[in-house]
Amino acid sequence: SQTIHQWPATLVQPVGSPLSLECTVEGTSNPNLYWYRQAAGRGLQLLFYSVGIGQISSEVPQNLSASRPQDRQFILSSKKLLLSDSGFYLCAWTGGTNTEAFFGQGTRLTVV
Amino acid sequence: SQQGEEDPQALSIQEGENATMNCSYKTSINNLQWYRQNSGRGLVHLILIRSNEREKHSGRLRVTLDTSKKSSSLLITASRAADTASYFCATVARGRGYQKVTFGTGTKLQVIP
Repeated sequence: SQTIHQWPATLVQPVGSPLSLECTVEGTSNPNLYWYRQAAGRGLQLLFYSVGIGQISSEVPQNLSASRPQDRQFILSSKKLLLSDSGFYLCAWTGGTNTEAFFGQGTRLTVV
Repeated sequence: SQQGEEDPQALSIQEGENATMNCSYKTSINNLQWYRQNSGRGLVHLILIRSNEREKHSGRLRVTLDTSKKSSSLLITASRAADTASYFCATVARGRGYQKVTFGTGTKLQVIP
């Protein structure tokens, strides 16, 4: 069966520090991968999606970047965090057509 | 950008009552899905309705889709306290071998025992 792992679960980082959040998927190949951010009490904002290794589409210009070094690995990064980067980050994957999105448990990032 | 807009933003009902949430979207879709999120957790898929379907049922859930109005509704019948959560609609658009899944702003449902 397919599973998605996202870590860490919580993270407190100072302003200006780098960020690396990792997401891996098991049990499927060539998934579509997504990074979302959810501000407190708000909806999910699509940040990046990827259809394959090295293929990244950015939805919102910002202080973050994403990379997909392997088929089932999706990484969200920042060189210098801002206070506004705080939020709940969710990784998800879909496969094929007309299929549901499977979510990781999320990373709660607090930038102080 | 947010594709879907849910209303109401918040809904408080008594246990046993029905809860209706609405979602509007802007662009063409392949399918529309509803998700549930318990506080501070990941999202869990509830139900999917394809663009050529008008209504779908799953247990106490009923989803309708009106592509001419670009809107969908989620009805939870005979609500329970355990249904308390945030509910999101997600529109799915296909393009060049991928699915782009875009979420709405969500409805926060509180079911009072």
